[in-house]
Amino acid sequence: QKEVEQDPGPLSVPEGAIVSLNCTYSNSAFQYFMWYRQYSRKGPELLMYTYSSGNKEDGRFTAQVDKSSKYISLFIRDSQPSDSATYLCAMDGTASKLTFGTGTRLQVTL
Amino acid sequence: GAVVSQHPSWVICKSGTSVKIECRSLDFQATTMFWYRQFPKQSLMLMATSNEGSKATYEQGVEKDKFLINHASLTLSTLTVTSAHPEDSSFYICSAGLAVSTDTQYFGPGTRLTVL
Repeated sequence: QKEVEQDPGPLSVPEGAIVSLNCTYSNSAFQYFMWYRQYSRKGPELLMYTYSSGNKEDGRFTAQVDKSSKYISLFIRDSQPSDSATYLCAMDGTASKLTFGTGTRLQVTL
Repeated sequence: GAVVSQHPSWVICKSGTSVKIECRSLDFQATTMFWYRQFPKQSLMLMATSNEGSKATYEQGVEKDKFLINHASLTLSTLTVTSAHPEDSSFYICSAGLAVSTDTQYFGPGTRLTVL
């Protein structure tokens, strides 16, 4: 079993939709949770960073962490075609090493 | 924000040759740099962590004699793939951090290596 599970998609939604992206994990030592956006043939770009459980909002993006369920989510409101990318969740315990999910490919259509 | 560059952005080489990839932090000094590889439709896998002036720490299963990492200065780390083979073809991405803290890792744009 992988430490971090993420549905690879692809996920296709119409412009303006609310997008929900999720990851589950098995390592209870993870405390830091991140979401990265990666465009094709580019490096990942940090979108959201959350420590422990709770919600965090930044513009159209909301990150949620539920440590009791070992489940994290990223919501994108009013999705735009420019949001089309692969979204990677990443996690870290105390070793300062990121463990990534496989990424979910999102396509926002006009 | 902090900018990390990689060179080259893509490279094609013959089997058996060595390839060097550079990772530079352009506007900050990076005490730690990380090297990842990413296969198509797969997640980033950490290969090694390097601190300036010391030997790199390799992840389990990564051959340190095949993937040579040098972090000679606070702004430059290099990854050399020695005696490359087709199975080494992948997307190699570096990240640089101000300290050993994952919330301050900045990723480079990646280098696509194709070994013929």
